[in-house]
Amino acid sequence: DTAVSQTPKYLVTQMGNDKSIKCEQNLGHDTMYWYKQDSKKFLKIMFSYNNKELIINETVPNRFSPKSPDKAHLNLHINSLELGDSAVYFCASSQKGRDRGLLNTEAFFGQGTRLTVV
Amino acid sequence: AQTVTQSQPEMSVQEAETVTLSCTYDTSESDYYLFWYKQPPSRQMILVIRQEAYKQQNATENRFSVNFQKAAKSFSLKISDSQLGDAAMYFCAYRRYTGNQFYFGTGTSLTVIP
Repeated sequence: DTAVSQTPKYLVTQMGNDKSIKCEQNLGHDTMYWYKQDSKKFLKIMFSYNNKELIINETVPNRFSPKSPDKAHLNLHINSLELGDSAVYFCASSQKGRDRGLLNTEAFFGQGTRLTVV
Repeated sequence: AQTVTQSQPEMSVQEAETVTLSCTYDTSESDYYLFWYKQPPSRQMILVIRQEAYKQQNATENRFSVNFQKAAKSFSLKISDSQLGDAAMYFCAYRRYTGNQFYFGTGTSLTVIP
């Protein structure tokens, strides 16, 4: 069973198009994230949702809009795609970090979506 | 704000040898988690090892171990008996106990030479 799954794995599209990336986690986590990894491999947080509520919204163009229909899903919709949007987008999830000795406090990642805008 | 610094963009190691990847972080918290992730060419992010700040004992996972120096805010990863499959990007990450955000370093690209 895949813990965090995102689709599609690859996405090639033309400039100006609108596209969506879907993400689902079956770990029962409350928090989900979208990260962007650029060509230099830097991982940059874009958004974070906790129980369907937006809690982190970094400086991202408003062409990017996350949607969380329930706490197991976090989708990313991108309008008017630009060449600079080409990157790998990762979805991730985590449970609350609260206490000492808590297991599985790491972020669990999906396999990434390589978006290429031509 | 918390920052995580990996000062070695690239490292290489001979197969079967040992290599250490460096990571430092900045925080005013006393309780937090630290992680090392591996990203092979498949691009999957794989957890290698985790450390809780209150634990003085360094974490180990088979050939992977850390040297956690809390006062120095240093968290290095040692890979022993390096294998070809260890070739990957390695990311150091920090998380506060009560926070939801993970802070990642810029990564170290490890090459394993046969």
